[in-house]
Amino acid sequence: QQQVKQSPQSLIVQKGGISIINCAYENTAFDYFPWYQQFPGKGPALLIAIRPDVSEKKEGRFTISFNKSAKQFSLHIMDSQPGDSATYFCAASRWSSASKIIFGSGTRLSIRP
Amino acid sequence: EAQVTQNPRYLITVTGKKLTVTCSQNMNHEYMSWYRQDPGLGLRQIYYSMNVEVTDKGDVPEGYKVSRKEKRNFPLILESPSPNQTSLYFCASSRGPGQGSNEQFFGPGTRLTVL
Repeated sequence: QQQVKQSPQSLIVQKGGISIINCAYENTAFDYFPWYQQFPGKGPALLIAIRPDVSEKKEGRFTISFNKSAKQFSLHIMDSQPGDSATYFCAASRWSSASKIIFGSGTRLSIRP
Repeated sequence: EAQVTQNPRYLITVTGKKLTVTCSQNMNHEYMSWYRQDPGLGLRQIYYSMNVEVTDKGDVPEGYKVSRKEKRNFPLILESPSPNQTSLYFCASSRGPGQGSNEQFFGPGTRLTVL
């Protein structure tokens, strides 16, 4: 009940296209859903996060869509750029105990020029 | 500069030789965690700490120890390393929900190889 399932494992998108990464969780007590971005040789860094009081959150070209009934959330990257090439991790936790956070398995995104 | 530092960045050791990976943060964060990153498995939490002298197991604690004697430091100890602990390790810190943010700040990583 603690798993967060992420797909696809890898993704290739043309420059200017839309990149979509999906995650599903099991624990209905989770109420904090961040996405982290990791470049080679670096630690992950927070990209965007959502709480279930809203169904969508947008920051620039990055959007999280959240479906509470389906227990799914996704990251959309609009107008994908080569600089977006990185590994993306979704995660889930309870806001009140966010030190106990479960990460997805990661998606390696490559944007072709 | 606000940051999480880890040392060493790279380490090759042999089975059974005790080692410590240090982690330090200068942001006065309450929460600190250790993760290991393995291909296809993502980030898995090893241990976390909610404050000084308060630690708890994550999802993969076997073979590891931690201590939190000071707020800024959270070392990871491998008493008797084995080859299956070969991995990329990350330390992270966060302010915590009580201070309005659960954003985790990650260190640069420590690549450990156990022969």
